[in-house]
Amino acid sequence: AQSVTQLDSHVSVSEGTPVLLRCNYSSSYSPSLFWYVQHPNKGLQLLLKYTSAATLVKGINGFEAEFKKSETSFHLTKPSAHMSDAAEYFCVVSGGSNYKLTFGKGTLLTVNP
Amino acid sequence: GAGVSQSPSNKVTEKGKDVELRCDPISGHTALYWYRQSLGQGLEFLIYFQGNSAPDKSGLPSDRFSAERTGGSVSTLTIQRTQQEDSAVYLCASSLVPTSGQETQYFGPGTRLLVL
Repeated sequence: AQSVTQLDSHVSVSEGTPVLLRCNYSSSYSPSLFWYVQHPNKGLQLLLKYTSAATLVKGINGFEAEFKKSETSFHLTKPSAHMSDAAEYFCVVSGGSNYKLTFGKGTLLTVNP
Repeated sequence: GAGVSQSPSNKVTEKGKDVELRCDPISGHTALYWYRQSLGQGLEFLIYFQGNSAPDKSGLPSDRFSAERTGGSVSTLTIQRTQQEDSAVYLCASSLVPTSGQETQYFGPGTRLLVL
């Protein structure tokens, strides 16, 4: 069994300030973890993924996430927010040979000028 | 290269009517998945195809929902006798191979279904 908890349903930051979107997971297997972003009326785009290689994963658009097994966390960060980062972000887990993705509820990121 | 495409992008139908949603995966991707995104339930897995076979239909919410895939490519999700609770965004994804949870699933833009 696997599950994902995104700790904040809404995060608001000012442009140019750091972004932190929090995610905790539970998995019976060695998990693969993903962050997807969804802009309004668009499909889901993969930001980055962790698949048991380096624990610090770099993704597109300056985002990165760190896998912390002891804390069962996979938080998404970016040093400096841009207006174009405003979107909904989903933390996703899959595990073992389980192709089914389990999605968190999503975090809506608002970036203020 | 071309990504996953879905049609129609929007569909409005009356309660009780049947609808067909289409998904065209990335060329060469053997695995295809359908998900549903609704306000109350978030993103839910519906069904998975490997080639033309559907080894996992566990997410289909009722027997009004069915899906098929032909030629290892295009897939159609059919909802019969639509109900208002079927209103949602239906997302399709594909991946190169399905055998490992490490494979990236690439998503289409979705079909927004509204049942009146």
